[in-house]
Amino acid sequence: QQPVQSPQAVILREGEDAVINCSSSKALYSVHWYRQKHGEAPVFLMILLKGGEQKGHDKISASFNEKKQQSSLYLTASQLSYSGTYFCGTEGRNFNKFYFGSGTKLNVKP
Amino acid sequence: EPEVTQTPSHQVTQMGQEVILRCVPISNHLYFYWYRQILGQKVEFLVSFYNNEISEKSEIFDDQFSVERPDGSNFTLKIRSTKLEDSAMYFCASSLRTTTGYTFGSGTRLTVV
Repeated sequence: QQPVQSPQAVILREGEDAVINCSSSKALYSVHWYRQKHGEAPVFLMILLKGGEQKGHDKISASFNEKKQQSSLYLTASQLSYSGTYFCGTEGRNFNKFYFGSGTKLNVKP
Repeated sequence: EPEVTQTPSHQVTQMGQEVILRCVPISNHLYFYWYRQILGQKVEFLVSFYNNEISEKSEIFDDQFSVERPDGSNFTLKIRSTKLEDSAMYFCASSLRTTTGYTFGSGTRLTVV
């Protein structure tokens, strides 16, 4: 039930790009993405509800491949403020049961 | 911007004691959740709550846990007899619909000694 994220950790220089993947062994009806900074609560980034859907704001975007039960988060031209742990969260048919992935720790260095 | 408020921010309790963690969700939200995060680990689903009843609960949410919405604004998580392994950050979250993202509170750090 719990989605699997990869990679577990990424180190980037400012301006570099990163891709974080999230996959599930079960059918997905939605995928959420959150960012959590150390000692803080997770902050909602975006939700994807339909297969094939792509969303984005600023330089952070995501895609959802329903057939492959996968989602990817794309961070382009990374900034120092992007540092944190990124979690995907997935819901099956029952939207009330929601599971977070194991997290990807992103460290953007100057 | 509307916030989810949690109190206390940190609670230390003796093993075996009961604790109540409190949350005030965003006022027009309809779905409420409790999650916990053991230090350095993933965020774990505990329970979801809608229309004054539990919608779903995880395997972690056993008989020692209960949730209540005692009035129109508060949402509480009670742990009846705390164990050392209950030490974690507990997050409350709320959402307007099942198709919108969750807004998390800043958490209650529970330390069981």
